Amino acid sequence: ETGVTQSPTHLIKTRGQQVTLRCSSQSGHNTVSWYQQALGQGPQFIFQYYREEENGRGNFPPRFSGLQFPNYSSELNVNALELDDSALYLCASSATFEDGYTFGSGTRLTVV
Amino acid sequence: GQSLEQPSEVTAVEGAIVQINCTYQTSGFYGLSWYQQHDGGAPTFLSYNALDGLEETGRFSSFLSRSDSYGYLLLQELQMKDSASYFCAVRAPSNTGFQKLVFGTGTRLLVSP
Repeated sequence: ETGVTQSPTHLIKTRGQQVTLRCSSQSGHNTVSWYQQALGQGPQFIFQYYREEENGRGNFPPRFSGLQFPNYSSELNVNALELDDSALYLCASSATFEDGYTFGSGTRLTVV
Repeated sequence: GQSLEQPSEVTAVEGAIVQINCTYQTSGFYGLSWYQQHDGGAPTFLSYNALDGLEETGRFSSFLSRSDSYGYLLLQELQMKDSASYFCAVRAPSNTGFQKLVFGTGTRLLVSP
């Protein structure tokens, strides 16, 4: 399977709720990274997984958590949603830095 | 920590050449990447520089000077479809000693006829 797919494409949640976003990485890519992109900003690094272990985390609180599965799929979970969590959430997979990251089209999360 | 600076917006006409600069401050550096993102789309990989000098890929070239903590993306023979946001991204150590990709704030390129 080629490419990175994310689901859902759009989501509306209420403040305080929990959400799970899903990503299917490119086959053979052992590293998956999640990013949050606010409107007009660059992607902000949330965390990264390599072979099902978290091996890097950005400045995001513990209510942002993740999982990576052996079949190259992964999840981003956000608890106790806040209005500021409204953003585009991007999943990216990679084999090597030199070959670049392959990004999914993202999930647009709106918290109301 | 890491910080990357890019101009917020650049405008040019079709057929012209444009240079998008990126300066960075990082605690640890392994390389500089460039990504293109059209409105509503996903970032797509353009280039990666680990060593000083110029890398050319078709109409796009990327340059890195590690001593100056500086790089640029050069776009030649501009086309309307090049209108997009361009991000520089630094490959840097993560908090666990592995590596991560840290993005700049992006440069919006507007190409006019």
